[in-house]
Amino acid sequence: EAGVTQFPSHSVIEKGQTVTLRCDPISGHDNLYWYRRVMGKEIKFLLHFVKESKQDESGMPNNRFLAERTGGTYSTLKVQPAELEDSGVYFCASSLGPGGGDTQYFGPGTRLTVL
Amino acid sequence: GESVGLHLPTLSVQEGDNSIINCAYSNSASDYFIWYKQESGKGPQFIIDIRSNMDKRQGQRVTVLLNKTVKHLSLQIAATQPGDSAVYFCAENISNFGNEKLTFGTGTRLTIIP
Repeated sequence: EAGVTQFPSHSVIEKGQTVTLRCDPISGHDNLYWYRRVMGKEIKFLLHFVKESKQDESGMPNNRFLAERTGGTYSTLKVQPAELEDSGVYFCASSLGPGGGDTQYFGPGTRLTVL
Repeated sequence: GESVGLHLPTLSVQEGDNSIINCAYSNSASDYFIWYKQESGKGPQFIIDIRSNMDKRQGQRVTVLLNKTVKHLSLQIAATQPGDSAVYFCAENISNFGNEKLTFGTGTRLTIIP
């Protein structure tokens, strides 16, 4: 069974540019999560989809971040415009569902560097 | 890897010895706890989990202990191997539907000395 995949693995952009990260969850997993680790900090929750609906977006830092999951399959996370403090590693995870307490399986992450 | 710059607690253990990694969690309402292992350049990998109705759970070479009284979690790795070198994170969750986000600890870097 394929795991969670993320694309790209690395992205280097200039401040003010736009970047879109993609996550493909494990097939059949209704729950999809985005997390990130910025330099020197712990991994922090950004948001949670159940199928195509946003269940919890309490961790999204500001309105420069937009996450979508059209059709309830893969998800994208767009940062527009990117700022220096957005640099870090963005992880996607998925779980089977429904309900909490399900194991979340993580992808390899996308390392974003904003110059 | 992405751990560069992180000032993590570190633990060095001789290969073959046992290791214990500790974690203090923050939310007394949390009822689901997970240990993840992260190797350089990879995402967190699930190791073992435990629910709050248990105080101990064993897997292959790993044991997780939960002390709810003092909000403490530990991961024991038996007979460590070079491949156990990684950063280990504990995570907590309140397993109610609609509130499934994980809250991670800062991580501990485990180095196995050959």
